[in-house]
Amino acid sequence: EAGVVQSPRYKIIEKKQPVAFWCNPISGHNTLYWYRQNLGQGPELLIRYENEEAVDDSQLPKDRFSAERLKGVDSTLKIQPAELGDSAVYLCASSLGISGNTIYFGEGSWLTVV
Amino acid sequence: DAKTTQPPSMDCAEGRAANLPCNHSTISGNEYVYWYRQIHSQGPQYIIHGLKNNETNEMASLIITEDRKSSTLILPHATLRDTAVYYCIVRVASGNTGKLIFGQGTTLQVKP
Repeated sequence: EAGVVQSPRYKIIEKKQPVAFWCNPISGHNTLYWYRQNLGQGPELLIRYENEEAVDDSQLPKDRFSAERLKGVDSTLKIQPAELGDSAVYLCASSLGISGNTIYFGEGSWLTVV
Repeated sequence: DAKTTQPPSMDCAEGRAANLPCNHSTISGNEYVYWYRQIHSQGPQYIIHGLKNNETNEMASLIITEDRKSSTLILPHATLRDTAVYYCIVRVASGNTGKLIFGQGTTLQVKP
């Protein structure tokens, strides 16, 4: 069974440019998470989806970040415009429901803003 | 969610058991203890979780104290590929707060 798939794996952009990350969760997993991990730190939750509904986006910087999960499967996280401080690893994860079911992570998308 | 405390780093000799401690003194009765690890340049990998009984799977064993205020992750025969950052996380098992809150973790260095 395929795991959580993310793309691109690596991205280098200039500041003020837009960037988008794509995530395909494990088949059948209705809960999808986006995390951000800064260098030397643990991952921090940005947004959580239950099917197509964003149920926890309190940590998402809404002035420049947006996310969508059309049809409750794949998801896209967008940053526009990117700032130097957005350089980080963006991790997508999924789980079957939310009540204690194990959360599985993708390999992450490494963003460098120059 | 309860907070956890882990040592920032540990060393272990290859082939020996690696015992990684975690304190979670404010854990609630409905919170599980989860362990993940993150190998360099990869996403976090699920290892094991438990509520109050000891657990074992093909990767590791989890020992939870009777008062549930601390736990130990045991890698029985550490290999060089076990070098990673290990995260101990407590997580509510039910309701609508299913997110994982990561701390700094323990960097385990397995040495030949």
